[in-house]
Amino acid sequence: GENVEQHPSTLSVQEGDSAVIKCTYSDSASNYFPWYKQELGKRPQLIIDIRSNVGEKKDQRIAVTLNKTAKHFSLHITETQPEDSAVYFCAASWGNFNKFYFGSGTKLNVKP
Amino acid sequence: DTAVSQTPKYLVTQMGNDKSIKCEQNLGHDTMYWYKQDSKKFLKIMFSYNNKELIINETVPNRFSPKSPDKAHLNLHINSLELGDSAVYFCASSQVPAGQGYEQYFGPGTRLTVT
Repeated sequence: GENVEQHPSTLSVQEGDSAVIKCTYSDSASNYFPWYKQELGKRPQLIIDIRSNVGEKKDQRIAVTLNKTAKHFSLHITETQPEDSAVYFCAASWGNFNKFYFGSGTKLNVKP
Repeated sequence: DTAVSQTPKYLVTQMGNDKSIKCEQNLGHDTMYWYKQDSKKFLKIMFSYNNKELIINETVPNRFSPKSPDKAHLNLHINSLELGDSAVYFCASSQVPAGQGYEQYFGPGTRLTVT
């Protein structure tokens, strides 16, 4: 089955700096890569996703890049704000009943 | 107009008891999921139902039994609760277009504490 690895496990940045979280996957059949944000005590919520026919997608301060050859994808957050502090999860799916293989999560701390 | 709802939000019970968690979605999705999130925050799929049919059944003790009375509801029953069952359980739902992944919408979670 698919194996998704996520790094780093924790990331601390100063407000205004950029943050990058990286994930690798093992199954070349994976074609959908969502990123979820989970605030403390809350549900995971989708913040951005990318499909395998696209190399990059941007939504305001967040962007995701995908390298299918290397089987890795990354989340980029620019101009970080304290409200960006949360746990971020990457996932990979290939349409097998939309089964998500989640990474282990990255706890992002944005210091004011 | 909550999209995915779960009850109860908190559940505190003793070892050996049997308990149920209920989930409902009003998004018209065909597929629902149960996830377990442990203290280290790992999100692990447990089960998935598509139109009331079990389609994903991970390696989960058979003390856990999901039931889907209709495609808008997916319940989780746990028998003989153990300390290791303490976790947050999330329900989720999605559409499943053929051959591709799609966003999953998560419920608010049920924090289960077994004492």
